[in-house]
Amino acid sequence: GQNIDQPTEMTATEGAIVQINCTYQTSGFNGLFWYQQHAGEAPTFLSYNVLDGLEEKGRFSSFLSRSKGYSYLLLKELQMKDSASYLCAAMDSNYQLIWGAGTKLIIKP
Amino acid sequence: DTAVSQTPKYLVTQMGNDKSIKCEQNLGHDTMYWYKQDSKKFLKIMFSYNNKELIINETVPNRFSPKSPDKAHLNLHINSLELGDSAVYFCASSFRDGNSPLHFGNGTRLTVT
Repeated sequence: GQNIDQPTEMTATEGAIVQINCTYQTSGFNGLFWYQQHAGEAPTFLSYNVLDGLEEKGRFSSFLSRSKGYSYLLLKELQMKDSASYLCAAMDSNYQLIWGAGTKLIIKP
Repeated sequence: DTAVSQTPKYLVTQMGNDKSIKCEQNLGHDTMYWYKQDSKKFLKIMFSYNNKELIINETVPNRFSPKSPDKAHLNLHINSLELGDSAVYFCASSFRDGNSPLHFGNGTRLTVT
C-alpha cells in the first residue's frame, strides 16, 4: 500500500536548527512536496523535490533520496512564527498526492 | 487578488440538514479538489475535477455531491448532515502536471450539532 511516515510532534528552540524527516512508499513517484500549516489556517506550499539532493530556499531547505524513499525539511534560524504543522506529501504515478499526518513543530523561546 | 476562495468560512447546522460550500479559483488552474481535515489534522482527498471532469472520487458517502459548472468553480453539496461530518473542508486547485503545487482556500469549518 501507499504510506507516508513523519513524526507527530517535535520541539525546538528559537534560533536553532530542526530537521523534520519523512519516509514514503508509493506506487511510482512523481515528486515530494512540503507544506506548512499554521493552526486554523490553510496549508501553504513550501518546497518540491523530484530529483535527489538538496533544494535551498532561504531559511528552509528540503532534501530527497529516491532510492531510500526519504525526504527531510530543514529549518534554520528558527523563529517563533515557524511554530506550525509541516505536511509531507508524495505524488504517485497517477499524479495523486499521498499525504502524511503532519509534524507539529513547537518553538520555545 | 489571485486566490482560491471558498464560502462560507464557518457553517453551524443541525443533523439532517442539507448545506453547500462554494469554491472559486482565479489562478487559471485546470484541476480542483475537495479535502476533508478532521480533528487529528489528517488531510483526506474527497474529490478532484480536471476541466470539469471528475477524476478522483474517493470512498465518500453519496450524501456528498460535488458540482463543477466550469473549471474555475467546484462546489460541494452535502445532504442529510451527520455528526461525523464535522470537520474543516478545504478546496484547492493546481495544474495537473506533476510539479504544480496545490493552492488551498482558507477552509470551511463545518460543525454539525
